[in-house]
Amino acid sequence: DIRMTQSPASLSASLGEAVNFECLASEDIYSDLAWYQQKPGKSPQLLIYNANSLQNGVPSRFSGDRSGTQFSLKINSLQPEDVATYFCQQYNNYPTFGSGTKLEIK
Amino acid sequence: QVQLKESGPGLVHPSQTLSLTCTVSGFSLTNYHVSWVRQPPGKGLEWMGVMWTGGRTAYNSLLKSRLTISRDTSRGQVFLEMNSLQTEDTASYYCVRGFYSHYNLFDYWGQGVMVTVSS
Repeated sequence: DIRMTQSPASLSASLGEAVNFECLASEDIYSDLAWYQQKPGKSPQLLIYNANSLQNGVPSRFSGDRSGTQFSLKINSLQPEDVATYFCQQYNNYPTFGSGTKLEIK
Repeated sequence: QVQLKESGPGLVHPSQTLSLTCTVSGFSLTNYHVSWVRQPPGKGLEWMGVMWTGGRTAYNSLLKSRLTISRDTSRGQVFLEMNSLQTEDTASYYCVRGFYSHYNLFDYWGQGVMVTVSS
């Protein structure tokens, strides 16, 4: 199975600050990488697919990038409603998820 | 609009069988794949298996021996059965719709059903 390693496990940032999440795939998955946002007590929601394509309705402050097997999710200007856990997921093969990064407001 | 809703028992005893139903609306099971994904409390997500549009299934190799996914297309329902439950199977269980182009990219999620395995 393809392993997805996310870092950090948690992070705290101030409102308006830029935030970065990292995700490393154990092998080449090309751009078959998605990011999900899971707010407390809710189901995950698709934010980004194809490493950098924004799902319909997702605010433009979210963006994704790829460098080889390293992927990143960026929030340009942190908003209160962005408090959530963020998961990466590869869909190059049978799907596997990262362990998540929990985002809090400082 | 697209909706998926899971239903089933909240409590299952160890060694028993879990049966869950996912009822979908706003799309057809013959046009979109549906998977099951679970999440233990406070932990990450695990894909369990998929019901493809053509009626075939595929399973996570770690769960394959215990898991069966089936469907009733006329009712818009996908079923999950997993036997020999243990406490480690305590989790929220989600049914999810696959993207139009990739069965394993999930654009809609159900609200989830919490299942506790306990005596």
